[in-house]
Amino acid sequence: DADVTQTPRNRITKTGKRIMLECSQTKGHDRMYWYRQDPGLGLRLIYYSFDVKDINKGEISDGYSVSRQAQAKFSLSLESAIPNQTALYFCATSDPRTGISVETQYFGPGTRLLVL
Amino acid sequence: SQKIEQNSEALNIQEGKTATLTCNYTNYSPAYLQWYRQDPGRGPVFLLLIRENEKEKRKERLKVTFDTTLKQSLFHITASQPADSATYLCALSNAGNMLTFGGGTRLMVKP
Repeated sequence: DADVTQTPRNRITKTGKRIMLECSQTKGHDRMYWYRQDPGLGLRLIYYSFDVKDINKGEISDGYSVSRQAQAKFSLSLESAIPNQTALYFCATSDPRTGISVETQYFGPGTRLLVL
Repeated sequence: SQKIEQNSEALNIQEGKTATLTCNYTNYSPAYLQWYRQDPGRGPVFLLLIRENEKEKRKERLKVTFDTTLKQSLFHITASQPADSATYLCALSNAGNMLTFGGGTRLMVKP
């Protein structure tokens, strides 16, 4: 979805390096999420944020941190990258004002990260 | 813990046939179930949502069923086309809770 962008699209880094993945959205949604996807394991939630002042850990937050710089921006950092963090990372947004009790999510194109 | 199972093997079917994908879950009583499509190199895209009190939902050539007794959802694509080839993910949630995704099933429609 072009309304949710992620940079970089591909990244190769070395063990121990700090890296940041960035996500921007023009959908005007308050809620943003970071997932990682590994083959056969589906999408697993790393962190989520319901507004600029709200940050919550997901299922697999160890080794990651996030920053919600503005409504439109949500960054994911790997403080000291390790090889088992090699994965496909997705940012997503949702809108609680859709009038139903559960929101559908809108995903960015993903960042493919390789940690050597 | 919650577990969502989708067939990890690819489903190969002939163009024009109906594709049926399965999503089974355990240790969970979701109020909502969603299906997403994911193409290679792209993020998932929402297709359909069905609530626990709905047996069936349709959208064009797509049909989803939700059987809370069997703890299973079936996703059907009728009159399948090569353009339907993709990975399909199911995701479960309760009101206000986060989505939990299955591992996805890859569908290949051959002309």
